[in-house]
Amino acid sequence: GAGVSQSPSNKVTEKGKDVELRCDPISGHTALYWYRQSLGQGLEFLIYFQGNSAPDKSGLPSDRFSAERTGGSVSTLTIQRTQQEDSAVYLCASSFLQGDTQYFGPGTRLTVL
Amino acid sequence: GENVEQHPSTLSVQEGDSAVIKCTYSDSASNYFPWYKQELGKRPQLIIDIRSNVGEKKDQRIAVTLNKTAKHFSLHITETQPEDSAVYFCAAKASSKLTFGTGTRLQVTL
Repeated sequence: GAGVSQSPSNKVTEKGKDVELRCDPISGHTALYWYRQSLGQGLEFLIYFQGNSAPDKSGLPSDRFSAERTGGSVSTLTIQRTQQEDSAVYLCASSFLQGDTQYFGPGTRLTVL
Repeated sequence: GENVEQHPSTLSVQEGDSAVIKCTYSDSASNYFPWYKQELGKRPQLIIDIRSNVGEKKDQRIAVTLNKTAKHFSLHITETQPEDSAVYFCAAKASSKLTFGTGTRLQVTL
C-alpha cells in the first residue's frame, strides 16, 4: 500500500513569508508526527497527533510554528514569517497506534532565502 | 524528558568487518527502542527494533541488544557491505513520543 507522502518535496521561500507543508499519513494510522532535520543533524521532534486527543506541541520551537490535523488524516504544518534558521528538511511520520513503529515520509526540503 | 546519547558520531569500517553503535537513554520508563537507517537524501527507514521485555533481537546481519539496568542499547552489523553506508539513528520511546539520538555516520570502505 501507499506509504506516507509529503508535499511539496522542495520549497524555496523568502524570509518573512508564510509556508504550509502537507503530510498524508498511511491510511488507518491514528498517530502522526512532525520532525525537523537540519543539514547533517538528527531528528528534532516538533508535534504529535494521536486520534482526537489534544496534540503534543512541546517540540514546536516558537509560536511561528503551528500544525493541524483535520479529519484525523492529513496534517498541515504552517510556519509563519519564515526565518533563515527555519531552513531544514521537515519529516512527517505516522504509526498505527501510539507507540507503534513510525513510518517516515520523504520529507519537504525548505529553503528560506 | 527523555535524553538519548549516541556514539560514535562517525564510524569507518572495512567491508566484511563488524560495526557497533551504542546508545544510552535516561528515562527508565522507556520501553521501545527502534533503529533507523537514513541514506543520503532519503527518508529514515526502520531496520530493527526491540521492546523492553527482550534482551536481544537478530535479523540476518543486524542485531540489537538492550541492557535495561544500565539503560543502554546497541546496534551490531556483521559482515558489513558498502550498501550499509548510511546514517543510523537510535531512538527511545517513553510515553507517547520517540526521542532520537544524534546519529552515527557509518562508512564501509572497500
